[in-house]
Amino acid sequence: DAKTTQPPSMDCAEGRAANLPCNHSTISGNEYVYWYRQIHSQGPQYIIHGLKNNETNEMASLIITEDRKSSTLILPHATLRDTAVYYCIVRVDTSGTYKYIFGTGTRLKVLA
Amino acid sequence: ETGVTQTPRHLVMGMTNKKSLKCEQHLGHNAMYWYKQSAKKPLELMFVYSLEERVENNSVPSRFSPECPNSSHLFLHLHTLQPEDSALYLCASSQYQGSYGYTFGSGTRLTVV
Repeated sequence: DAKTTQPPSMDCAEGRAANLPCNHSTISGNEYVYWYRQIHSQGPQYIIHGLKNNETNEMASLIITEDRKSSTLILPHATLRDTAVYYCIVRVDTSGTYKYIFGTGTRLKVLA
Repeated sequence: ETGVTQTPRHLVMGMTNKKSLKCEQHLGHNAMYWYKQSAKKPLELMFVYSLEERVENNSVPSRFSPECPNSSHLFLHLHTLQPEDSALYLCASSQYQGSYGYTFGSGTRLTVV
């Protein structure tokens, strides 16, 4: 089972910041949080990941709470091409094998 | 293109057919994965290969048979499938097993009739 919970859907106006929340209350101390997105009819695309500190790259920012039980992915200026399903994932270590367990994600719709 | 190429993009097969899905990457990655994505369900990890050795088999029925002849190629052999096996089959690769930044292919849309 996925170790994360996300709202099923969100809307965001084009040009505005999209803030996508994720709860991972059972995360362990050495488990990273990853974000991927899946645009319709394509494979998932890696966005960003983090452990404790906030992270930023050319695509997005990741804000992780101090207790690490939740995080927020921020798309600073959403465009129509950011419409996709966004997955928040905690990498699971089972007997030395790392696995991504995907949940159902958040369907983000960017509105013109 | 992401660097991971899957063929065919679409496949329709009967329940008695045998077919194979192909995945190819030239990213220099050492781990490859098969995922299944059914309608309105999360991605399900099927198989994990690390350095051409299978390290994970997630209780997948034997009608799905993976093969990894080298670190650049991964196959999924299909035989006597059921209609409920219709789904998008995604291949992914990563530098090492479990490393960040999986690169996914665009998938093969499989329909079993």
